[in-house]
Amino acid sequence: GQSLEQPSEVTAVEGAIVQINCTYQTSGFYGLSWYQQHDGGAPTFLSYNALDGLEETGRFSSFLSRSDSYGYLLLQELQMKDSASYFCAVQYNQGGKLIFGQGTELSVKP
Amino acid sequence: DAGITQSPRHKVTETGTPVTLRCHQTENHRYMYWYRQDPGHGLRLIHYSYGVKDTDKGEVSDGYSVSRSKTEDFLLTLESATSSQTSVYFCAISEKVISYNEQFFGPGTRLTVL
Repeated sequence: GQSLEQPSEVTAVEGAIVQINCTYQTSGFYGLSWYQQHDGGAPTFLSYNALDGLEETGRFSSFLSRSDSYGYLLLQELQMKDSASYFCAVQYNQGGKLIFGQGTELSVKP
Repeated sequence: DAGITQSPRHKVTETGTPVTLRCHQTENHRYMYWYRQDPGHGLRLIHYSYGVKDTDKGEVSDGYSVSRSKTEDFLLTLESATSSQTSVYFCAISEKVISYNEQFFGPGTRLTVL
């Protein structure tokens, strides 16, 4: 079967750095995405890695190692507004089908 | 924000009744998706469409059907709703799926089946 594993909860303090890991086992692989969701609202896209290495977008970075079936999302200079759920998702076919992890709830404390 | 709307936003229905959820986009994106989100399960793909009249099943398609007769509309139908289909349903769209796949999500529909 196909599966993605990510921690269910992470807590960090404002201004800190936090890393959310994701390991996957899927029938195919075209890319790893990260999404943010606040309080059950619409998920919003953060990043997409198709190739190995680090992608940086402002305070957020995402890393992929295809040989290890592993990726992570790195959030720097944490702010209270970063408290949300973060989902990793693997695109496993050419048509854009995604399989999502169960989500990591990030709590940022003052 | 991508122009995606879902209707209705909230619905309460009874077991055995048919239900249709609508997703409407103004972005002219080729790909459209229906997901459901339940506690502890993240988002799970129900069906998706890669063009007008072109659809395919996702990982949890049993009990659901879809139709796409126009680029902008993607309908999800529960032929005979069951309590296990109580969930939050999200529609998503994307334009490109090779090399870069960014999906834009609608606001969601909260469906309760009594």
